[in-house]
Amino acid sequence: DSGVTQTPKHLITATGQRVTLRCSPRSGDLSVYWYQQSLDQGLQFLIQYYNGEERAKGNILERFSAQQFPDLHSELNLSSLELGDSALYFCASSVPGRGGNEQFFGPGTRLTVL
Amino acid sequence: EDKVVQSPLSLVVHEGDTVTLNCSYEVTNFRSLLWYKQEKKAPTFLFMLTSSGIEKKSGRLSSILDKKELFSILNITATQTGDSAVYLCAVDRDMRFGAGTRLTVKP
Repeated sequence: DSGVTQTPKHLITATGQRVTLRCSPRSGDLSVYWYQQSLDQGLQFLIQYYNGEERAKGNILERFSAQQFPDLHSELNLSSLELGDSALYFCASSVPGRGGNEQFFGPGTRLTVL
Repeated sequence: EDKVVQSPLSLVVHEGDTVTLNCSYEVTNFRSLLWYKQEKKAPTFLFMLTSSGIEKKSGRLSSILDKKELFSILNITATQTGDSAVYLCAVDRDMRFGAGTRLTVKP
């Protein structure tokens, strides 16, 4: 158990809908990262927050947005869902260190768009 | 364009064999290279490498980085069936992951 929690574990929804995925980082970790993992795209970095502020952006679509709250939990909002958004969404957290970040991954949320 | 390339994509060995997994990269603003192991769930951290030539070890696993030639290797000695997994490397700062190497260790 990494100490990172994600809810829900599974989510099934329809095209065009909007969903919110939630992540609670490990105690003391200030950074939260969101990733999408699909069979054809591998693990793709979406976005990073550090202590409530956006720190880095990866391959995040405009239909997706995220935020990190004062208690450091984070939410990833996915809207106007398409079939291709079906994937495993991971959240990871880290303690920033010199030279890079060791990240701890949550168990993931499996999103199925029908 | 930044890229991280892992090889081989797939590898099948028998218990007791030694394997070497490769990760090459071309990225701007390199900060560190990370190795992860992914079984049927979330990736778990193995190593973080920032300096060339310094080997990191954890039990039967070891890894080293060459910042001049832009690659890293992950070695696993005396493989066990429990080593079967996908091994991912990623390059910080933008956390670009390679496609992974799927290692299968047969009894």
